[in-house]
Amino acid sequence: KAGVTQTPRYLIKTRGQQVTLSCSPISGHRSVSWYQQTPGQGLQFLFEYFSETQRNKGNFPGRFSGRQFSNSRSEMNVSTLELGDSALYLCASSPSGVTEAFFGQGTRLTVV
Amino acid sequence: GDSVTQMEGPVTLSEEAFLTINCTYTATGYPSLFWYVQYPGEGLQLLLKATKADDKGSNKGFEATYRKETTSFHLEKGSVQVSDSAVYFCALSDSLSAGANSKLTFGKGITLSVRP
Repeated sequence: KAGVTQTPRYLIKTRGQQVTLSCSPISGHRSVSWYQQTPGQGLQFLFEYFSETQRNKGNFPGRFSGRQFSNSRSEMNVSTLELGDSALYLCASSPSGVTEAFFGQGTRLTVV
Repeated sequence: GDSVTQMEGPVTLSEEAFLTINCTYTATGYPSLFWYVQYPGEGLQLLLKATKADDKGSNKGFEATYRKETTSFHLEKGSVQVSDSAVYFCALSDSLSAGANSKLTFGKGITLSVRP
């Protein structure tokens, strides 16, 4: 069965722009969560969606938002990009919670 | 809040050496514990997990035992291979935190390099 698919794999944006990242979970999985990975801060939780509802949110500014569609696909959006938003953004899917979370390969965002 | 502490790295070993990577945690409830591995240019792969005290997770020769009394979940392997070179992350999911089981809290990760 296909794994978690994240698109695009690489992205270069300019400060002040906005960006949308996409995540297609494993078929049948209803939970999608997002993480930011940076060398300095490591892996930090952004938010988690289950059946189109946000169940949990990390400690990130309001510029970071997300949503989940009825087919469980999820998008995250970052507005007014800052240099510090440069990171690997990872999406994980699971049937219900994180006890069986499967990660995508990530989207590498570079803000210049 | 929840936190995971991993030993400082990087770690360099010769092939067939014994591996131990330390991990301790702080959690408010009864967490599930995980080890994830990240190969270069890849996302995270679940290596093993344990959901309650004294459980032992194992996979691909790696083992870790959930020790509630010492709040630890150390990763071990008896004989490492070059192909084990990767970054290893310890993580927890706390059953009593808001949005139970919807969030993983990770340690900072440790890079393992295995020499032939």
